[in-house]
Amino acid sequence: QVTLKESGPALVKPTQTLTLTCTFSGFSLSTSGMRASWIRQPPGKALEWLARIDWDDDKFYSTSLKTRLTISKDTSKNQVVLTMTNMDPVDTATYYCARIGDGDYGMDVWGQGTTVTVSS
Amino acid sequence: SYELTQPPSVSVSPGQTARITCSGDALPKQYAYWYQQKPGQAPVLVIYKDSERPSGIPERFSGSSSGTTVTLTISGVQAEDEADYYCQSADSSGTNWVFGGGTKLTVL
Repeated sequence: QVTLKESGPALVKPTQTLTLTCTFSGFSLSTSGMRASWIRQPPGKALEWLARIDWDDDKFYSTSLKTRLTISKDTSKNQVVLTMTNMDPVDTATYYCARIGDGDYGMDVWGQGTTVTVSS
Repeated sequence: SYELTQPPSVSVSPGQTARITCSGDALPKQYAYWYQQKPGQAPVLVIYKDSERPSGIPERFSGSSSGTTVTLTISGVQAEDEADYYCQSADSSGTNWVFGGGTKLTVL
């Protein structure tokens, strides 16, 4: 059974750096074809794709947020980490991680999400 | 930047067919995916690679593609299908993924 769980601070101050961790089980990011993504959703708004990391450590970022994002993985811990710099109140959102299975199968398993509020 | 366009809302009566469209210039070259999201829950993949249905998704959910538009069709809509639906795809390079703005499906 594949599960993912996001963790991180619930509250960050403007200009701070946010670090979120996705801890997963049931698959390995060292297996060829496996990938993971981060997605966010501001309250009452649409989903926004943020970043993706592949089994071979290729990394891809949203063009609009590319300068602020870093995605990494720790295969020994089954974790994917996202950092976002220079946080602003508009970054207040629920942040999700999701697995992308081998092949073009889409984001087939999602975590429950973690809510981050940016406020002084 | 690349955008996918969805209607904000679609309303149907139970038992009818709901069609939700998603338009984007790169859709002829890139697969589309559809996600269902109910209030307070994480999204669920309901269609992948334009028209494939993951295991466990009811047969009433189907997807199709024509040119720059993909369509999610829900046949015989049930009350439990009331949710927000998002399409997702990539720009022509394949590396920048995007979601559509979402469509709220209301079952009357």
